[in-house]
Amino acid sequence: QVQLQESGPGLVQASETLSLTCTVSGGSIRSNYWNWIRQPPGRGLEWIGYIYSTGITNYSPSLTSRVTISIDTSKNEFSLKLTSVTAADTAVYFCARGDREDQGATTWFDPWGQGTLVTVSS
Amino acid sequence: SSELTQDPAVSVALGQTVRITCQGDSLGGYSASWYQQKPGQAPVLLIYGKNKRPSGIPDRFSGSTSGNTASLTITGAQAEDEADYYCKSRDTSANHPHIFGTGTKVSVL
Repeated sequence: QVQLQESGPGLVQASETLSLTCTVSGGSIRSNYWNWIRQPPGRGLEWIGYIYSTGITNYSPSLTSRVTISIDTSKNEFSLKLTSVTAADTAVYFCARGDREDQGATTWFDPWGQGTLVTVSS
Repeated sequence: SSELTQDPAVSVALGQTVRITCQGDSLGGYSASWYQQKPGQAPVLLIYGKNKRPSGIPDRFSGSTSGNTASLTITGAQAEDEADYYCKSRDTSANHPHIFGTGTKVSVL
Protein backbone atom coordinates (compact mmCIF):
# COMPACT_ATOMS: atom_id res chain seq x y z
CA GLN A 1 0.00 0.00 0.00
CA VAL A 2 1.03 3.62 -0.47
CA GLN A 3 3.20 5.08 2.27
CA LEU A 4 4.44 8.62 2.75
CA GLN A 5 7.50 9.79 4.68
CA GLU A 6 8.44 13.37 5.50
CA SER A 7 12.06 14.42 5.81
CA GLY A 8 13.97 17.61 6.43
CA PRO A 9 15.58 19.76 9.14
CA GLY A 10 13.88 19.79 12.50
CA LEU A 11 15.20 23.23 13.37
CA VAL A 12 15.02 26.35 11.22
CA GLN A 13 16.21 29.84 12.09
CA ALA A 14 13.67 32.63 12.10
CA SER A 15 13.45 34.57 8.82
CA GLU A 16 14.94 31.66 6.88
CA THR A 17 13.26 29.07 4.63
CA LEU A 18 11.72 25.84 5.83
CA SER A 19 12.24 22.97 3.36
CA LEU A 20 10.66 19.53 3.61
CA THR A 21 10.34 16.56 1.27
CA CYS A 22 7.71 13.83 1.19
CA THR A 23 8.75 10.53 -0.37
CA VAL A 24 5.97 8.33 -1.72
CA SER A 25 6.45 4.56 -1.82
CA GLY A 26 4.19 1.71 -2.89
CA GLY A 27 2.46 3.73 -5.60
CA SER A 28 2.97 6.35 -8.29
CA ILE A 29 2.99 10.04 -7.59
CA ARG A 30 1.54 10.56 -11.08
CA SER A 31 -1.91 9.76 -9.72
CA ASN A 32 -3.96 11.82 -7.27
CA TYR A 33 -2.82 15.11 -5.75
CA TRP A 34 -0.39 15.59 -2.93
CA ASN A 35 -0.87 17.76 0.13
CA TRP A 36 0.99 19.44 2.94
CA ILE A 37 -0.80 19.99 6.25
CA ARG A 38 0.60 21.32 9.52
CA GLN A 39 -0.37 21.27 13.19
CA PRO A 40 1.11 23.68 15.74
CA PRO A 41 1.70 22.10 19.15
CA GLY A 42 -1.58 21.56 20.96
CA ARG A 43 -3.64 23.01 18.14
CA GLY A 44 -5.69 21.92 15.14
CA LEU A 45 -4.87 20.96 11.57
CA GLU A 46 -4.12 23.58 8.91
CA TRP A 47 -4.03 22.77 5.21
CA ILE A 48 -1.04 24.36 3.46
CA GLY A 49 -1.49 23.38 -0.18
CA TYR A 50 -1.43 20.68 -2.83
CA ILE A 51 0.20 19.77 -6.11
CA TYR A 52 -0.68 17.50 -9.02
CA SER A 53 1.95 15.63 -11.02
CA THR A 54 1.28 18.13 -13.82
CA GLY A 55 2.59 20.85 -11.54
CA ILE A 56 -0.77 22.45 -10.87
CA THR A 57 -0.80 23.87 -7.35
CA ASN A 58 -3.29 25.36 -4.92
CA TYR A 59 -2.26 27.09 -1.71
CA SER A 60 -3.96 28.28 1.45
CA PRO A 61 -4.82 31.97 1.05
CA SER A 62 -3.16 32.71 4.40
CA LEU A 63 0.17 31.21 3.28
CA THR A 64 0.21 31.69 -0.49
CA SER A 65 2.75 34.55 -0.42
CA ARG A 66 5.33 32.36 1.35
CA VAL A 67 4.66 28.82 0.09
CA THR A 68 5.96 26.84 -2.85
CA ILE A 69 5.16 23.18 -3.42
CA SER A 70 7.06 21.31 -6.13
CA ILE A 71 7.09 17.74 -7.41
CA ASP A 72 9.72 15.39 -8.81
CA THR A 73 7.99 12.49 -10.52
CA SER A 74 11.30 10.77 -11.30
CA LYS A 75 12.00 10.47 -7.57
CA ASN A 76 8.34 9.95 -6.55
CA GLU A 77 8.56 12.83 -4.12
CA PHE A 78 7.18 16.30 -3.57
CA SER A 79 8.49 19.17 -1.53
CA LEU A 80 7.47 22.18 0.54
CA LYS A 81 9.25 25.49 0.88
CA LEU A 82 8.02 28.10 3.34
CA THR A 83 9.93 31.37 3.38
CA SER A 84 10.47 34.00 6.08
CA VAL A 85 9.48 31.68 8.91
CA THR A 86 8.62 32.87 12.41
CA ALA A 87 7.83 31.10 15.67
CA ALA A 88 4.23 30.83 14.47
CA ASP A 89 5.42 28.34 11.84
CA THR A 90 6.59 25.89 14.50
CA ALA A 91 4.46 22.80 13.91
CA VAL A 92 4.31 19.15 12.99
CA TYR A 93 4.22 19.03 9.19
CA PHE A 94 2.33 16.18 7.51
CA CYS A 95 2.13 15.14 3.90
CA ALA A 96 -0.91 13.27 2.60
CA ARG A 97 -2.32 11.87 -0.62
CA GLY A 98 -5.49 13.54 -1.84
CA ASP A 99 -8.33 11.95 -3.74
CA ARG A 100 -11.57 13.27 -5.19
CA GLU A 101 -14.85 12.34 -6.83
CA ASP A 102 -18.04 14.06 -7.92
CA GLN A 103 -15.97 16.63 -9.85
CA GLY A 104 -14.19 17.70 -6.69
CA ALA A 105 -17.26 18.08 -4.49
CA THR A 106 -16.01 15.11 -2.49
CA THR A 107 -12.38 15.08 -1.39
CA TRP A 108 -10.35 13.22 1.17
CA PHE A 109 -6.77 12.71 2.39
CA ASP A 110 -5.44 9.17 2.78
CA PRO A 111 -2.88 8.01 3.70
CA TRP A 112 -0.83 10.47 5.74
CA GLY A 113 2.83 10.49 6.60
CA GLN A 114 3.82 10.18 10.25
CA GLY A 115 4.65 13.89 10.44
CA THR A 116 7.82 15.75 11.28
CA LEU A 117 8.24 18.46 13.90
CA VAL A 118 9.82 21.65 12.69
CA THR A 119 10.83 24.20 15.31
CA VAL A 120 11.60 27.78 14.36
CA SER A 121 14.34 29.21 16.53
CA SER A 122 15.02 32.88 17.08
CA SER B 1 -13.60 32.55 3.60
CA SER B 2 -15.57 29.72 5.19
CA GLU B 3 -14.97 28.09 8.53
CA LEU B 4 -15.87 24.66 9.86
CA THR B 5 -16.97 24.78 13.48
CA GLN B 6 -16.92 21.79 15.82
CA ASP B 7 -17.67 21.48 19.53
CA PRO B 8 -14.33 21.53 21.39
CA ALA B 9 -15.06 18.47 23.51
CA VAL B 10 -17.68 15.78 24.07
CA SER B 11 -17.83 12.76 26.32
CA VAL B 12 -19.55 9.41 25.92
CA ALA B 13 -20.04 6.43 28.19
CA LEU B 14 -18.44 3.20 27.10
CA GLY B 15 -20.75 1.39 24.68
CA GLN B 16 -23.01 4.38 24.12
CA THR B 17 -23.50 6.55 21.04
CA VAL B 18 -22.01 9.98 20.39
CA ARG B 19 -22.48 12.38 17.51
CA ILE B 20 -19.86 14.94 16.53
CA THR B 21 -21.01 17.83 14.37
CA CYS B 22 -19.25 20.11 11.90
CA GLN B 23 -20.99 23.29 10.77
CA GLY B 24 -20.04 25.45 7.82
CA ASP B 25 -21.55 27.24 4.85
CA SER B 26 -19.38 25.29 2.39
CA LEU B 27 -20.98 22.00 3.42
CA GLY B 28 -23.97 22.91 1.30
CA GLY B 29 -21.83 22.31 -1.79
CA TYR B 30 -18.87 20.23 -0.64
CA SER B 31 -19.00 17.01 1.34
CA ALA B 32 -17.05 16.45 4.54
CA SER B 33 -14.47 13.84 5.31
CA TRP B 34 -13.64 12.84 8.88
CA TYR B 35 -10.32 12.04 10.57
CA GLN B 36 -9.34 10.54 13.90
CA GLN B 37 -6.11 11.62 15.55
CA LYS B 38 -4.61 10.04 18.63
CA PRO B 39 -1.82 11.74 20.61
CA GLY B 40 1.49 11.74 18.79
CA GLN B 41 0.03 10.10 15.69
CA ALA B 42 -0.98 11.19 12.23
CA PRO B 43 -4.67 11.62 11.44
CA VAL B 44 -6.49 8.60 10.01
CA LEU B 45 -9.32 8.83 7.49
CA LEU B 46 -12.61 7.51 8.89
CA ILE B 47 -15.37 8.66 6.55
CA TYR B 48 -15.59 10.31 3.12
CA GLY B 49 -18.25 11.01 0.55
CA LYS B 50 -21.70 9.61 1.22
CA ASN B 51 -20.82 7.66 4.37
CA LYS B 52 -17.97 5.65 2.83
CA ARG B 53 -15.41 3.97 5.10
CA PRO B 54 -11.90 2.97 4.02
CA SER B 55 -10.94 -0.65 4.48
CA GLY B 56 -10.24 -1.44 8.12
CA ILE B 57 -12.43 1.26 9.65
CA PRO B 58 -15.05 -0.29 11.98
CA ASP B 59 -18.68 0.10 10.99
CA ARG B 60 -19.47 1.77 14.32
CA PHE B 61 -18.27 4.95 12.58
CA SER B 62 -20.82 6.56 10.25
CA GLY B 63 -21.31 9.93 8.61
CA SER B 64 -24.22 12.04 7.42
CA THR B 65 -24.98 15.57 6.28
CA SER B 66 -28.03 17.77 6.64
CA GLY B 67 -27.88 21.21 5.13
CA ASN B 68 -24.76 22.96 6.36
CA THR B 69 -24.02 20.45 9.11
CA ALA B 70 -22.01 17.24 8.74
CA SER B 71 -22.06 14.65 11.50
CA LEU B 72 -19.88 11.76 12.56
CA THR B 73 -21.59 9.18 14.75
CA ILE B 74 -19.85 6.58 16.86
CA THR B 75 -22.31 3.83 17.74
CA GLY B 76 -21.13 1.75 20.68
CA ALA B 77 -18.07 3.79 21.60
CA GLN B 78 -14.98 1.85 22.62
CA ALA B 79 -12.13 2.94 24.86
CA GLU B 80 -9.84 3.15 21.84
CA ASP B 81 -12.13 5.75 20.26
CA GLU B 82 -10.88 8.38 22.71
CA ALA B 83 -9.15 10.81 20.37
CA ASP B 84 -9.43 14.10 18.51
CA TYR B 85 -11.75 14.18 15.51
CA TYR B 86 -11.55 16.62 12.61
CA CYS B 87 -13.82 17.27 9.67
CA LYS B 88 -12.46 18.53 6.38
CA SER B 89 -14.11 20.13 3.38
CA ARG B 90 -13.43 22.86 0.86
CA ASP B 91 -13.93 26.60 1.03
CA THR B 92 -16.29 28.38 -1.32
CA SER B 93 -13.79 31.18 -1.95
CA ALA B 94 -11.59 31.45 -5.05
CA ASN B 95 -9.62 28.27 -5.83
CA HIS B 96 -11.68 26.38 -3.24
CA PRO B 97 -8.91 25.63 -0.77
CA HIS B 98 -9.27 22.76 1.63
CA ILE B 99 -10.25 23.61 5.21
CA PHE B 100 -10.29 21.63 8.45
CA GLY B 101 -12.75 21.89 11.27
CA THR B 102 -11.67 23.18 14.65
CA GLY B 103 -11.56 19.67 16.09
CA THR B 104 -13.46 17.78 18.79
CA LYS B 105 -11.85 15.93 21.68
CA VAL B 106 -13.87 12.79 22.48
CA SER B 107 -13.53 11.30 25.93
CA VAL B 108 -14.85 7.78 26.59
CA LEU B 109 -15.95 7.42 30.21
